[in-house]
Formats: sequence, C-alpha cells, structure tokens
Amino acid sequence: GAVVSQHPSWVICKSGTSVKIECRSLDFQATTMFWYRQFPKQSLMLMATSNEGSKATYEQGVEKDKFLINHASLTLSTLTVTSAHPEDSSFYICSARVPDKPDGYTFGSGTRLTVV
Amino acid sequence: AQRVTQPEKLLSVFKGAPVELKCNYSYSGSPELFWYVQYSRQRLQLLLRHISRESIKGFTADLNKGETSFHLKKPFAQEEDSAMYYCAIRGIYNQGGKLIFGQGTELSVKP
Repeated sequence: GAVVSQHPSWVICKSGTSVKIECRSLDFQATTMFWYRQFPKQSLMLMATSNEGSKATYEQGVEKDKFLINHASLTLSTLTVTSAHPEDSSFYICSARVPDKPDGYTFGSGTRLTVV
Repeated sequence: AQRVTQPEKLLSVFKGAPVELKCNYSYSGSPELFWYVQYSRQRLQLLLRHISRESIKGFTADLNKGETSFHLKKPFAQEEDSAMYYCAIRGIYNQGGKLIFGQGTELSVKP
C-alpha cells in the first residue's frame, strides 16, 4: 500500500520549453508532498514541500518561479520546470507523507529530465 | 546547522567481507536517523531506522550520540547489497517533516 506513481519516468525537452512532472498517490491521500532533486550518485536535495490546497514552501536557493509546484488535490502534486535549461537536467523525485509507514514516507520512482 | 555527512562516495568490497558505511550528523535537538537504499533503477526505500533497533537484510546501525554517528554495518556483504545507500535525519518530534539526506555512498560488492 501507499504507492506514489510518478510520471514521466524520463523526458527530453528543448531549452526554453516547460516540462510537467506528476506524482499521484494511488491508494491513499497525500496531504504533504516533498520534491527532491538528485544529481547522479549524489544526495537528494529537498526543493520544496507542498501541502494540499496551499502554496508550496521552497527551500533556500530554489527559484519558485522556475520550479512551479501545484498540489491542488489530495492525490496529485505536480512540478513544472519552466523555461528549462541544460543545467536543469537532473533526476527529480517526489515523496509523499504517509503516517502509517515506519518512516512516514513513500517515494516516487523518479523522473530523469534531460534538457537539450 | 542540520547536516548529514557520508564521507565515502564509493565503497568497494568483496563478497563475504564486512561492510561499514559511515554516517555522521549535526543536528540541534533530538534527531531520528534513517538509512535508505536505492537499488539500480528502483525507487528509494527505507532500510532501517534507529528507533526500531532492528536488523534488516543483515544490516544494523547503532546511534552513537557521543560521536554523532549512525554507521551502517553488515558482517558479510552479498552481491545483491550493491546499491546507493543514504543516511537521513529529521527531528524526532517532527514526524512527517522534511528529511535531510547525506551525499550517499555507493556500495559495490564484487564476487
């Protein structure tokens, strides 16, 4: 139980375009979603925390106008990378808060974004 | 400052050898420590947490508050243990709050 489905698993886009990444909670209600960015074989850097129905809280140094997060429903949170540039290429992971799990979280499978 | 440090980017051992993946932390308050594992092409999953004091897949980790460490150990490594391992921390009274991850250690177990 408590599965988060993240799509797409990989995407290639041109510089200047926008890309939307979706995370859906399949069998539970995700009131809180965390969005991470992961560089190859490096740490997961928390970008923002979103709560359903309210504005996301961004970590220091993360451009909120570039990384738009929407959490309009209890089963869907989206991250839109606007005006993407090659330096935005990375692996993006969502994680939902799940109080019933031992650690309290479940993670999406991640999205590999490549901006050319 | 709240920080998790994993000093080794890569740890390579032979099958059957003991393994210790190091994790040190800095946290103001009472921390809760976790180890996560990410197998190739799979999502991040919880391996163990210090509160449960359990052994999972032969791995154990003890929280040493004096040394602010939470090293992950396994007496006999297996090839299937090859993966990325992340140490993570959050406030013990901050259930469901954000996790702070270390840089990760890639464990490679050779046959």
